[in-house]
This record gives sequence, C-alpha cells and structure tokens, in this order.
Amino acid sequence: GIQVEQSPPDLILQEGANSTLRCNFSDSVNNLQWFHQNPWGQLINLFYIPSGTKQNGRLSATTVATERYSLLYISSSQTTDSGVYFCAVGDSGYALNFGKGTSLLVTP
Amino acid sequence: DTGVSQNPRHKITKRGQNVTFRCDPISEHNRLYWYRQTLGQGPEFLTYFQNEAQLEKSRLLSDRFSAERPKGSFSTLEIQRTEQGDSAMYLCASSPRDRGILWDPEQYFGPGTRLTVT
Repeated sequence: GIQVEQSPPDLILQEGANSTLRCNFSDSVNNLQWFHQNPWGQLINLFYIPSGTKQNGRLSATTVATERYSLLYISSSQTTDSGVYFCAVGDSGYALNFGKGTSLLVTP
Repeated sequence: DTGVSQNPRHKITKRGQNVTFRCDPISEHNRLYWYRQTLGQGPEFLTYFQNEAQLEKSRLLSDRFSAERPKGSFSTLEIQRTEQGDSAMYLCASSPRDRGILWDPEQYFGPGTRLTVT
C-alpha cells in the first residue's frame, strides 16, 4: 500500500503562533484528507484535498500531487487546536492509508 | 444531517468472549468502512461495503473478525474469541455514492467504539 509519512511527529506551540505540518506519500492518489483527532478520539474532517489549495478560517492546505506531498498550515493557533493531526491518502477508491500523525500541543 | 454513529462507545470484555459493534452511516451514503486504531498509531483499514456487498475483506486481521451489512444500511463488526491484542478503538466511516467524474470520496468517521479485553 501507499506509504504516508508525517512530520514533525510532535509540536509544541505558544498560543498565537503559526505552524506547518507536512505529509509525504509514496504514490499517486485520488483521495487525500486531513483530520484532527480530538482527545475523545473523534476524527474531525478538516480538508478533502487530493490536489490544489483550500482555506477554511485559520486553516489552509495545499497538495502538490506531482511531487507527492501535502501541507497543512495553522495560523494564530489556539489551545483548542491541540490534538493529533492525521493525513490519510487513498488510491483505490476505498481504503485510506493513514500516517502516524503529528501531535500538537498549544500552550496558553 | 446527523453524522456517523457507533454503539457502544465503550466495551470491556473478558478474553475469549465474542463482541459485536454497530455502525450507522450518514443516511445518503452507500459506502461504509471499518478501521482499527491502536495507541499511538493512525487508523488501519479493515474492510468496506458498497450497499450490502462487502467488496474488500482481505485486510480483516484474522478469521475471528467478520462484518455484515445485511440491508445496505447499518453494519456490524464481530470479533470472536477476543484476545488482549484486540484492545483498540474501532472506527466506522461512510462516504457518498459514486457519481462518476463528480464523485467526492471523502470519508466521514464516527466517534468509535473503544474495546478493552481483560
């Protein structure tokens, strides 16, 4: 299956700081999603972005499919942004392959 | 629009017992997926259904795992003769019907069932 690598594995920020999370993948994909997993385990959809750029409030994402990477950008971080961010990719129309995630802690 | 729901949210069972989890997808979604997530890892794909047909099950972890979606609506995941290594979060997801070139395969996840095998 497709290999997915996320970096950095852990990140600590002060409230108000900006950050960029990276996702590298090993093959062509027809699905790429970014999720935020909250402390209760719920995966919250952030972006469906197999290519191009999208923005939603303080979050934006860019996928460069030809170079096999995606970036998630968080601006003006808040304590509620804490949690684990997952990148997941698919090439088959069904299975998503997840990375190991980036664990983000935003301190007051 | 209600999201994906899963029941129970937590299950504690003794080794050797059978357990069954239920997933109700978003109502207009015809594709349903099961994943397992262990501590510190991302979810791993187990199986999926399109309507009532189970189209991929080779990645179920062992023959103790089985899934059904008898009427193309809710699905159940059963684990027989549970082992301590089965302790994990079991996640269900759904995605919309394939509409060809306009199809958006975005998957939406439920809150999960956390299984503890003692």
